[in-house]
Amino acid sequence: DQQVKQNSPSLSVQEGRISILNCDYTNSMFDYFLWYKKYPAEGPTFLISISSIKDKNEDGRFTVFLNKSAKHLSLHIVPSQPGDSAVYFCAAPHNQGGKLIFGQGTELSVKP
Amino acid sequence: DTEVTQTPKHLVMGMTNKKSLKCEQHMGHRAMYWYKQKAKKPPELMFVYSYEKLSINESVPSRFSPECPNSSLLNLHLHALQPEDSALYLCASSQEGTGGGYEQYFGPGTRLTVT
Repeated sequence: DQQVKQNSPSLSVQEGRISILNCDYTNSMFDYFLWYKKYPAEGPTFLISISSIKDKNEDGRFTVFLNKSAKHLSLHIVPSQPGDSAVYFCAAPHNQGGKLIFGQGTELSVKP
Repeated sequence: DTEVTQTPKHLVMGMTNKKSLKCEQHMGHRAMYWYKQKAKKPPELMFVYSYEKLSINESVPSRFSPECPNSSLLNLHLHALQPEDSALYLCASSQEGTGGGYEQYFGPGTRLTVT
């Protein structure tokens, strides 16, 4: 049972435009969500997180929105830059001792 | 400083070899993790250490043996691996394994090839 889902395996965006990456979850007990960015052959880099008591968290060009009723979150990157091209994973902590449940990832390509 | 270091960066080993992967963090984090990642897939949790004690083993085969010598170090001992074990092995740490501090910080990984 995939509790965190990223239904778009890839996304292509023009430089300067907005990138919107989506994530859905099924477990209503999840109360915290994280986004990671991963370049090939490197470890994931923590980007931004959001607690379920909020519906928005912003950090520079990155904003995460949470819609609890729809069990949906999204990561907005604006303006998108070629260096943002990477695989993005959303994740949620399982209630069992720090285990993160990851989505399958979305590969973002930002074209100059 | 959110740095987790891993050595070696690359490792090629035969199926009869014994080798070890090393991970170090100096952020004062009390939880450390080993993950395995195949191309185009999310990281797959293997082990969790919380306060230097093994708290989660995700049914990993015994040819992988974790060790936490102290709160800053984490090792993964490898023995009699199979070619399908070839992957990127990632170490991560977080402030605490339970409760707050959910953000896990990952190292750059060790690219393992089993021949």
